[in-house]
Amino acid sequence: GDSVTQMEGPVTLSEEAFLTINCTYTATGYPSLFWYVQYPGEGLQLLLKATKADDKGSNKGFEATYRKETTSFHLEKGSVQVSDSAVYFCALSNFGNEKLTFGTGTRLTIIP
Amino acid sequence: EAQVTQNPRYLITVTGKKLTVTCSQNMNHEYMSWYRQDPGLGLRQIYYSMNVEVTDKGDVPEGYKVSRKEKRNFPLILESPSPNQTSLYFCASSSGGGIAQPQHFGDGTRLSIL
Repeated sequence: GDSVTQMEGPVTLSEEAFLTINCTYTATGYPSLFWYVQYPGEGLQLLLKATKADDKGSNKGFEATYRKETTSFHLEKGSVQVSDSAVYFCALSNFGNEKLTFGTGTRLTIIP
Repeated sequence: EAQVTQNPRYLITVTGKKLTVTCSQNMNHEYMSWYRQDPGLGLRQIYYSMNVEVTDKGDVPEGYKVSRKEKRNFPLILESPSPNQTSLYFCASSSGGGIAQPQHFGDGTRLSIL
């Protein structure tokens, strides 16, 4: 079945550092890929998505590129802020499967 | 304001005492679903509904029931809760197109079953 593997956390960075959170997937066909973010005490919010190979999703300074050859969808940001502290989930959806398959989440803490 | 509302936010209860977690959305969304979030496991889908009176099992449906009598509501029912159902639960909804559309999540319900 489909699965998502993402970088183990927690990750702690200083403000203005470069961020990468790795995500790889296993799926048949051509899944859609997502990054969701969960701030403390809140539900998940869609951060960005990509629906086909080589698409780049971007939002709030975050980017991720759908790489079919490496089955990856790594999340990057050039300069993180304290307000980016949250748990980040990589997820996929696949045709014929009415669910999101999530990775285990990566907790990110940014220190001033 | 567009939102998905879950109630209660927190509940501590005992084994075997039936409980219902309500979920309501005000966006006229067709698709709704329930997930549970457990440490080290991410989120796993319990049930989903493509529209009124249409529900189906997700990955971990055992011990849960749902109903979709109205478009806006999708309650999660635990008929006889057990300690292994202690978890953080999220309801989500999206417009037609189902899971390919961005999901709108509620703020979560933390259940503790003693």
